[in-house]
Amino acid sequence: AQSVTQPDIHITVSEGASLELRCNYSYGATPYLFWYVQSPGQGLQLLLKYFSGDTLVQGIKGFEAEFKRSQSSFNLRKPSVHWSDAAEYFCAVGAGNDMRFGAGTRLTVKP
Amino acid sequence: ETGVTQTPRHLVMGMTNKKSLKCEQHLGHNAMYWYKQSAKKPLELMFVYNFKEQTENNSVPSRFSPECPNSSHLFLHLHTLQPEDSALYLCASSQTSGSSNEQFFGPGTRLTVL
Repeated sequence: AQSVTQPDIHITVSEGASLELRCNYSYGATPYLFWYVQSPGQGLQLLLKYFSGDTLVQGIKGFEAEFKRSQSSFNLRKPSVHWSDAAEYFCAVGAGNDMRFGAGTRLTVKP
Repeated sequence: ETGVTQTPRHLVMGMTNKKSLKCEQHLGHNAMYWYKQSAKKPLELMFVYNFKEQTENNSVPSRFSPECPNSSHLFLHLHTLQPEDSALYLCASSQTSGSSNEQFFGPGTRLTVL
């Protein structure tokens, strides 16, 4: 069965610093991969998705993610974090009629 | 209204109460979902409806009863809940069900069971 692991429960970065959030998946075939963000009191908003083709995917708000089949990873990156990026980030894998989410990584941004 | 809306945003209920959560999507989608989000746990898919037909029931206890009268509306009827059912309940929709379809989420209903 497909599964998603986000190894980091909580990450703190300084404003302006670079960011990388890790995501590893388990799935037998090429999965559909997503990153969502959830601000306090809000639902999830899609940042980006990977289906096929170029393994470096650009998303909204300056985020990007790279699909690495050999490592079963889909890490999210941003070159310079803004205070408004503080939120919870979820990686998800879609397969069949289902979408499985990781447990999330909470991002804190220091001034 | 745009996107996916959920009402109420907050709900406190006793274990013997009966209440319903409502979700409405204004995106012209054909699939709708209920998720449970508990602290420190991954989102749990509860139910999937595709063209008003339930296509997935992820071993959810019968005290949760979904209803999908049309492709735009989804309800979750609650009765005799337990305190461990306290969580954020998220509704989502997508063009159709299927792994390649982006899901659009509502803001959720924060449920507290006393």
